[in-house]
Order: sequence, then structure tokens, then C-alpha cells
Amino acid sequence: EAGVAQSPRYKIIEKRQSVAFWCNPISGHATLYWYQQILGQGPKLLIQFQNNGVVDDSQLPKDRFSAERLKGVDSTLKIQPAKLEDSAVYLCASSPDHPLGNTIYFGEGSWLTVV
Amino acid sequence: ILNVEQSPQSLHVQEGDSTNFTCSFPSSNFYALHWYRWETAKSPEALFVMTLNGDEKKKGRISATLNTKEGYSYLYIKGSQPEDSATYLCAFEENQAGTALIFGKGTTLSVSS
Repeated sequence: EAGVAQSPRYKIIEKRQSVAFWCNPISGHATLYWYQQILGQGPKLLIQFQNNGVVDDSQLPKDRFSAERLKGVDSTLKIQPAKLEDSAVYLCASSPDHPLGNTIYFGEGSWLTVV
Repeated sequence: ILNVEQSPQSLHVQEGDSTNFTCSFPSSNFYALHWYRWETAKSPEALFVMTLNGDEKKKGRISATLNTKEGYSYLYIKGSQPEDSATYLCAFEENQAGTALIFGKGTTLSVSS
């Protein structure tokens, strides 16, 4: 079974530029998550989708971050314009449904450096 | 805001040593506690999902216990090996429909040969 795919793996951009990350979840998984992990901190949920609807985006900085999940499969996370503090690993994860005590599967992450 | 604490933040052990880490989480509204191992440049790997008070789970040399009444879980590694070097994350799952996992900051383990 293919895992969660993410791209690009690494990206370096200048502040005020824009960047987009792509995620392809495990086939059949209804729930998709984007987490941000800043060095020295734990992963923080940015947005959670159930199929193509948003369940929770309370911690998404909506003035610069946007995310969509078209057709309930792939998802993109965009940052525009980027700030220095956006340097982080962006982890995409998926699960068959809401966690409910089941495993959530992660991709390898997209590592962003803003200079 | 729910808080998940992990200690120690980091530790360094010699090959063959046994070690343990702590995860503290809210004791109310508990649904599950997840443990992950995250090696650099790889995807976080699920180790355990624990739901019942008093649960003990084991995977090779790694085991975990759960106390939901006092809100803590221990992860044990017996006879550490260099390949155990990673960051170990715990995540709290609240008993509320649709909620995602809330992660601690992790414990980074380094094992020297």
C-alpha cells in the first residue's frame, strides 16, 4: 500500500515570496491533516479535512495560509507571502476516518526555509 | 488550549542502556494516546495507540504503559541500539468527534555505540 506522498521535500524561498505544498493521501482515506512543526516544538494542526470539507482550521493563519482539498483526494497548502517564522516542516497525514483511536499515517514532510 | 508535555526534552545514552520517557496529558475527556517515532528526513512512524487505563503495549524492545486517571504514559526502550536514535512524539486524542491529535514537543534520543 502506497503511503502519504508529499512534494516538494525541500524548499528555500525569500520572505514575501509564495510557496505551495502538495499532498496525496493514502487511497480511500477520508480525513487529511496538515501539521506545521517548527524546530523545537511539537507538530501543530493547521487544518483538517473530512473528504473535501474543512473540519478544523482554527489555527491556520488565514491572512497568509490557504489550503484546499479538491474532489476529496489531493490537497495543496499555500503560503503567500511567506515570513521568516514560517520556516518549518509541513507534515501531511491521513486516516480512514476521524482518528477514533486509529492510526494516522504521515508523509515525509516538506521542509521549508524562509530567508 | 490542551497541553501535552514530554520529558526529558532530549537524552543521550550508550548502546545497551535501557531508558524511558514520560508523556503527560489532560486526564479529562480522554479518548486515546498515540506514540510515534520520527527519524530525521523520514515520516513519523506510529508505534502504539493506547485507549484503556492500565494498557501495556509492546513492540520488540519498545513498550508503553498508560494511566488515564492521572494523565501520563511511559515509553520504555530496553537495550537501546543506535538505530533507536530518533525523536519520540506522543499525541493526545480528545473524546470529541472530529478532533485531530495534539502533539507534545517530543523527546530526542541519541544512542552511541
